[in-house]
Amino acid sequence: GESVGLHLPTLSVQEGDNSIINCAYSNSASDYFIWYKQESGKGPQFIIDIRSNMDKRQGQRVTVLLNKTVKHLSLQIAATQPGDSAVYFCAENIVQKVTFGIGTKLQVIP
Amino acid sequence: DTGVSQDPRHKITKRGQNVTFRCDPISEHNRLYWYRQTLGQGPEFLTYFQNEAQLEKSRLLSDRFSAERPKGSFSTLEIQRTEQGDSAMYLCASSLATTGNNEQFFGPGTRLTVL
Repeated sequence: GESVGLHLPTLSVQEGDNSIINCAYSNSASDYFIWYKQESGKGPQFIIDIRSNMDKRQGQRVTVLLNKTVKHLSLQIAATQPGDSAVYFCAENIVQKVTFGIGTKLQVIP
Repeated sequence: DTGVSQDPRHKITKRGQNVTFRCDPISEHNRLYWYRQTLGQGPEFLTYFQNEAQLEKSRLLSDRFSAERPKGSFSTLEIQRTEQGDSAMYLCASSLATTGNNEQFFGPGTRLTVL
């Protein structure tokens, strides 16, 4: 994995606003992408996924956008709540192996 | 609770000792994965099983590390002659092999501290 140091990128968002977390992936052969949420002291939790033949997928309050041309993935969280505070990871799946990207820490300001 | 469970949750050991961790996947899941996560980084893949067969091992998995899944249910990860660099969170995940997605469900992890 990449060496990203001890300081995660941080996004601070006011409660109620929308959050956008971005991710760049490296392997054009990846066919499946997942966003995970990880709260302190817990394992990653699945949020939403998208296959490479799609460019947008919506869930409850979350939307994932995939731009294969520039190998970019984003996670949009609508009406961000304090419970959304966590570290968010994008991950790419290649032949049953999941490779996690750099995490982004989301801080929700009440 | 029918999620992935891991035991112990925390382990403190002295350098040179052996440690073993256990993972119990979701019962109907046939795939089981081990990851290692250090502070400030995402989980790094170590190895995975489909049923009892170990299908892939990362180069991160040195010869001091061994994983088993003898009956295709629970799995163990053993680290021999632990080093301080082994200190990390060890995560287990499981999934149900389908022709579609590979949604993995993670356990809470075992935090290893090597003194």
